[in-house]
Amino acid sequence: GAGVSQSPRYKVTKRGQDVALRCDPISGHVSLYWYRQALGQGPEFLTYFNYEAQQDKSGLPNDRFSAERPEGSISTLTIQRTEQRDSAMYRCASSQASGAQYFGPGTRLTVL
Amino acid sequence: GQQLNQSPQSMFIQEGEDVSMNCTSSSIFNTWLWYKQDPGEGPVLLIALYKAGELTSNGRLTAQFGITRKDSFLNISASIPSDVGIYFCAAMYSGGGADGLTFGKGTHLIIQP
Repeated sequence: GAGVSQSPRYKVTKRGQDVALRCDPISGHVSLYWYRQALGQGPEFLTYFNYEAQQDKSGLPNDRFSAERPEGSISTLTIQRTEQRDSAMYRCASSQASGAQYFGPGTRLTVL
Repeated sequence: GQQLNQSPQSMFIQEGEDVSMNCTSSSIFNTWLWYKQDPGEGPVLLIALYKAGELTSNGRLTAQFGITRKDSFLNISASIPSDVGIYFCAAMYSGGGADGLTFGKGTHLIIQP
C-alpha cells in the first residue's frame, strides 16, 4: 500500500481481556517497528522485526506483550490480560533496512 | 536508557519568523530524524540525516547532523500557519541490532498570525 496502515484505529476493551493490534507496512519494507506513545510524549520503542525475525524486544513492558510477523509482512501486537495502564496510542512504523522509519496512524487503545 | 534532550519545549512566534530547535544526547547515534506530528495523526518524516556533519534541506526546513554525532538541529525559515504542530527529533544507532528510535519530548510550535 501507499503508507503504513493500522487496525483498528480505536479499541475499547475491558480490563482482563486480550487485544490484538494489526499493522500493515509499506510494501517492500524489510523492517517493522512497534511503538507506544503517551499523550504529550514522543513514541517509545517496543520491538522490531527484520522480515519475520524479531530482532529486539527489549522495549516490551512485560510478558503480557508479544508481537509476531509470521510471513515478513503484516504484524500483530498482542496484549494479554489488559490493564488500565496499557491505555495508550500504539504506533507501527516500517522502513527499508535500517533506513528512515515511516509511521502509521496508530491504534488508540482504551482499557476500562 | 538513552535519552534525547530536545529544546525548546514550546515556541510562540509570529508568522514569518524563523524557528530553530535542537536535540542533544550523551550517546552517539549514526542516524538522526526529524518528524512533525499534527493532532490525531502519526509522526510525519521531515528530514533524515545519516552522516556526521551532514546539512540537509527540505523546502523551508534545514537540519544538520552534529559533527560529534551527539546532536542535531532543525531550522524552519519564514514560518507559516501550517507549520503549527509538534516537532520531534529521533535518533538511532542502526546496524547494531538495536534499530529502534529514541525520541525527544517534542517542541510545540505555535504561530501567532
